[in-house]
Amino acid sequence: AQRVTQPEKLLSVFKGAPVELKCNYSYSGSPELFWYVQYSRQRLQLLLRHISRESIKGFTADLNKGETSFHLKKPFAQEEDSAMYYCALSRFSGNTPLVFGKGTRLSVIA
Amino acid sequence: EADIYQTPRYLVIGTGKKITLECSQTMGHDKMYWYQQDPGMELHLIHYSYGVNSTEKGDLSSESTVSRIRTEHFPLTLESARPSHTSQYLCASSGRTSTDTQYFGPGTRLTVL
Repeated sequence: AQRVTQPEKLLSVFKGAPVELKCNYSYSGSPELFWYVQYSRQRLQLLLRHISRESIKGFTADLNKGETSFHLKKPFAQEEDSAMYYCALSRFSGNTPLVFGKGTRLSVIA
Repeated sequence: EADIYQTPRYLVIGTGKKITLECSQTMGHDKMYWYQQDPGMELHLIHYSYGVNSTEKGDLSSESTVSRIRTEHFPLTLESARPSHTSQYLCASSGRTSTDTQYFGPGTRLTVL
């Protein structure tokens, strides 16, 4: 079965400090991994996807198939990064809904 | 403008009432989903649909039902609301492939007294 694990419910960092939000998955096939973000009073929205290999708002995430991880990183946290972050997995060849992790709340302290 | 709409945004009702939460999208998407989420908490998939006349139950057991008579419309109905149904309900849609981005609506905050 597919599963996404986000071990931290809450992560607090100081402004300017590096951020790493952890995401581990279990799936034997070829996964597509996503990070979704929900800012206060805003809709849940896509932040980035591994297949795009792009940096969004300074965030990057690398798929590590050996460690089955897709950690989200940013070198210097900003206050506006405070939000709820969800890691999600989809099967490349399947026709099943996204599997979401339980989410990590990032709090950036000024 | 392509978007996902949910109405009402907020609803307070009494126990035992029948309610329908509306979701419509102008994204041209085939796939639609309903999630239940307590604010800032985990997302629970309760129903999804991959096209007209196709509906499936999600991971979370739910007493709600859905229908998909039109591509753009995916309403969720609670026949008899209970306080345990108090939550936020998010509607989402995505394109045909399994790797397409999911787009979420603004949500309906339901309170059952």
